[in-house]
Amino acid sequence: GQNIDQPTEMTATEGAIVQINCTYQTSGFNGLFWYQQHAGEAPTFLSYNVLDGLEEKGRFSSFLSRSKGYSYLLLKELQMKDSASYLCAAMDSNYQLIWGAGTKLIIKP
Amino acid sequence: GAVVSQHPSRVICKSGTSVKIECRSLDFQATTMFWYRQFPKKSLMLMATSNEGSKATYEQGVEKDKFLINHASLTLSTLTVTSAHPEDSSFYICSVRLGNTEAFFGQGTRLTVV
Repeated sequence: GQNIDQPTEMTATEGAIVQINCTYQTSGFNGLFWYQQHAGEAPTFLSYNVLDGLEEKGRFSSFLSRSKGYSYLLLKELQMKDSASYLCAAMDSNYQLIWGAGTKLIIKP
Repeated sequence: GAVVSQHPSRVICKSGTSVKIECRSLDFQATTMFWYRQFPKKSLMLMATSNEGSKATYEQGVEKDKFLINHASLTLSTLTVTSAHPEDSSFYICSVRLGNTEAFFGQGTRLTVV
């Protein structure tokens, strides 16, 4: 079956760095997405990886290893507004998005 | 990117009534739109794929007679929750995709059935 695993909750300190891991198993693969979702709001796009390696975009970076079925989202210089859920989603061979349950990130001062 | 507008953002309705949720693609002609449901602290669950001018494709376990989807134009899809029950209370989100990559979401609709 198809499956996405990511930690349920993480806690980090303002100004620090945090890495949110995601492992996936899909029928075929057409890319890995990360979305940010604040409570009560819809998800917003953060990143898309389809090739192995690190993609950097400001304070956020995303990494993909296709051979390992693994991705991570790296958040630097954490700010209080980064407190949110981070959703990992993999796209299968039918271009369907398979969603993880999300990682709730709590930022403490 | 694409701008997706979803309305209403919140709705409270009585058991047994029907509620219509609209999803509009404001700057992009979307032949396909997606409807999701999300329970607290849970993943997005794809309910159905809305296809312009044809019947929606429902995911297994989703009652098509209860969740009516209409995609009458390239910019509008509607989801109607019929004969709503308290267990239908949830967060409903629509999305469109540009090609086969990035998904753009509407603001979501918080439905509460009392």
